[in-house]
Amino acid sequence: GAVVSQHPSWVICKSGTSVKIECRSLDFQATTMFWYRQFPKQSLMLMATSNEGSKATYEQGVEKDKFLINHASLTLSTLTVTSAHPEDSSFYICSARDLSSGGTGELFFGEGSRLTVL
Amino acid sequence: GEDVEQSLFLSVREGDSSVINCTYTDSSSTYLYWYKQEPGAGLQLLTYIFSNMDMKQDQRLTVLLNKKDKHLSLRIADTQTGDSAIYFCAEILNQAGTALIFGKGTTLSVSS
Repeated sequence: GAVVSQHPSWVICKSGTSVKIECRSLDFQATTMFWYRQFPKQSLMLMATSNEGSKATYEQGVEKDKFLINHASLTLSTLTVTSAHPEDSSFYICSARDLSSGGTGELFFGEGSRLTVL
Repeated sequence: GEDVEQSLFLSVREGDSSVINCTYTDSSSTYLYWYKQEPGAGLQLLTYIFSNMDMKQDQRLTVLLNKKDKHLSLRIADTQTGDSAIYFCAEILNQAGTALIFGKGTTLSVSS
């Protein structure tokens, strides 16, 4: 079945550094990918919609300059947390839709990337 | 606006049935989903139901949809300790690349 892979699965960094998280669709092409953020014991919050070949669409309240999204190809989207601070520590999950999945609209999720900023 | 509501906790004994409830507000939802999240892991799609159905059964899982009341439920028969996880219901508005909107998740705790 369709697989979405994220890398790294866990990253620890010092405050002020930038961290890049990759999201890949392994056996299907995804013109659209989605980035979510999950705080401990809370639901997922949609951060942005990543569109291949164009700018990402950010949800209200999400800083574009803080969370840079690039969707360079049909199988890869990256999220870069710039100048990370401890409050950016969170679980980041990407997802993508496999349009060949029979029209169910099923979203496949990556395993998530845990960012800890010291 | 869209909003999906779930109860936060459910505790059951092994072997009992679990019923997790969800209400949603957008009547135009075409598909409704149940996802499972184990600690520290991503989300796993459990099952989904199309809005023109009122019930779907998949092995131990039964999904009931009451479109009039905008109520969705997930029943897990013969609940096992391995079913302990957070369960999210979610709705999608259309198939044009719109992301899912999630509830806050129900933490299911199964005791032996």
